[in-house]
Amino acid sequence: SQQGEEDPQALSIQEGENATMNCSYKTSINNLQWYRQNSGRGLVHLILIRSNEREKHSGRLRVTLDTSKKSSSLLITASRAADTASYFCATVNQAGTALIFGKGTTLSVSS
Amino acid sequence: ETGVTQTPRHLVMGMTNKKSLKCEQHLGHNAMYWYKQSAKKPLELMFVYSLEERVENNSVPSRFSPECPNSSHLFLHLHTLQPEDSALYLCASSPRGASGGRGTGELFFGEGSRLTVL
Repeated sequence: SQQGEEDPQALSIQEGENATMNCSYKTSINNLQWYRQNSGRGLVHLILIRSNEREKHSGRLRVTLDTSKKSSSLLITASRAADTASYFCATVNQAGTALIFGKGTTLSVSS
Repeated sequence: ETGVTQTPRHLVMGMTNKKSLKCEQHLGHNAMYWYKQSAKKPLELMFVYSLEERVENNSVPSRFSPECPNSSHLFLHLHTLQPEDSALYLCASSPRGASGGRGTGELFFGEGSRLTVL
């Protein structure tokens, strides 16, 4: 069953603006991960945040986690055209054997 | 370059054909995965192998048959597929075994095999 749900489904912004994507999940987690996928390509891991962390940074990326609300957000600051891609959150399935992904947010950054 | 290589990148096959997708990881990882990505749908987990043992079969039809001969190679054998099986098939690996409820860390994905069933 699907664990993570991203919101919005699609987001269009101008270069230089910030992009915020949200993820909600249903069950308790050990960690939550964000991935990026360029059109027709494989997914690339961006960042992992553990359940005991509230915020994590990596370059222009900032991820927050609120376990009480079962939600996470990914902020991309000063976006570039090259950030155009789909972004997915993922959590571990109940069996603990694999990651379950949401439908993703499609981000379009225009110059 | 993620260290996970999938071949072929594109495959067109008829419903009566038999073909195979191949995945190879050069990372020394212990777990390997097959996911299916169809348009407008979330990634669907198909199979999980941990230390060459299948630990998850996510209710996948028998026309898809996985094989993991060693920890570096994973195959997906395709037989008598349907047009709705057309999708991007993604292979991934992770450093630690994916069993015993230990969860997974980062997954490393290949570029995918785009399958079209006519």
